[in-house]
This record gives sequence, C-alpha cells and structure tokens, in this order.
Amino acid sequence: GALVYQYPRRTICKSGTSMRMECQAVGFQATSVAWYRQSPQKTFELIALSTVNSAIKYEQNFTQEKFPISHPNLSFSSMTVLNAYLEDRGLYLCGARDGTKNTLYFGAGTRLSVL
Amino acid sequence: GQQVQQSPASLVLQEGENAELQCNFSSTATQLQWFYQSPGGSLVSLLSNPSGTKHTGRLTSTTVTKERRSSLHISSSQTTDSGTYLCAIVWSNNRIFFGDGTQLVVKP
Repeated sequence: GALVYQYPRRTICKSGTSMRMECQAVGFQATSVAWYRQSPQKTFELIALSTVNSAIKYEQNFTQEKFPISHPNLSFSSMTVLNAYLEDRGLYLCGARDGTKNTLYFGAGTRLSVL
Repeated sequence: GQQVQQSPASLVLQEGENAELQCNFSSTATQLQWFYQSPGGSLVSLLSNPSGTKHTGRLTSTTVTKERRSSLHISSSQTTDSGTYLCAIVWSNNRIFFGDGTQLVVKP
C-alpha cells in the first residue's frame, strides 16, 4: 500500500540550533509534497508546496531562508528548521500527493520541541 | 483567498448518537479528503470524496461541488471516535489547505 514515512517522530533541539526532518513516500510516486506545521492549539499551516520539475513555493510567513526544502526525486523530501525558537515548536507534517489517483497521504509527523 | 471552514468547532455526544460535520470551501476544489487526528497527533485518512456520496463503515461523506461544501456523517458514535476531524482541500494550483477541524467528544 501507499505510505508516507516521516522521521524522526520526535526531536528536541536547543534554541538557536537547526533541525532536519525527512519524508519518504513508499508505494507511490509523490508528484507533489507539502509541508505543514501545527502549532499548539492550532490547525495545520501550509509552509510550502514542492512539485517535481517546479520551483518550491512558500506560503506567506514562511521562507526558504528559514525552512529550506529539498525534493530531489518522486519519493523523498526533507525540510530543515533553521535557528529554531519557541515559536517553531509543533508538529511538522509532510503530505504527499499521488497524482495518478488524486489522493493525499500524510506521514505521522515530526514533533519538534525547542528548549 | 482560498479558505476552508469547518463547523461545528466542537461537538459533544452521547455514545450511540450520530454526528454531522460540515466543511465549506471558498473555491473549486480538485480533491477533498476527510482526516481523523488522534490525540497523539497522527492523521488517519477517512474518506477521499471530491464529489458525490461515499461510505465506509459508519462514515458517510457527501460533497456538493457546486455548493462548495462537504459533510461527514458518523453514525452510532463510539467513545473511540473522539478526536479531531479535519477537512483537507486540494485547489487547482495543487495547494492543500486544512480547515480548523471539529473536536468531537463522545461520552460513554
């Protein structure tokens, strides 16, 4: 079946340091990958959308300088949170779209805590 | 802008009662999917329903594309149904947005 793996599941970093998270699509080709952040008591905010053969598009309030994303192929994407601070804590979710089936698959998320 | 609104924000039921959750969206969607988010945070896909009516188990989703709305009906609710229900929309530009969710509490 189609799955999206995210790792690590949980991570803690010191304020001002950086943290990289990865997302892997298994069983399908991810024609697009979207990264989200769910801050405490909030819904999922779209950070950026990465579509193969197109530039990565960041939403307002999110920048490449803060959240650089790599999407080298149809099954893998990674995002780094640079200079993490308290406001960056939350659940980071990777969603991949199977364009052939028009279906979304989401990973279990990476929960980031910042000390 | 492109918006997704869910209602009600929260719902409390007695076990056995039915639940009706609503999702309204501002623009034409190419895909609509309902998710359940467990207290631990993981998302579970419930139904993918860009149009029409779909059933799975005790869940029924009806999406009326022209009216830009979708509903999720949970019949004979159980305490294990408690959690957050999210509606996700894929727009024509491939951006995917979530609604704020409906927090469901089913009491025994």
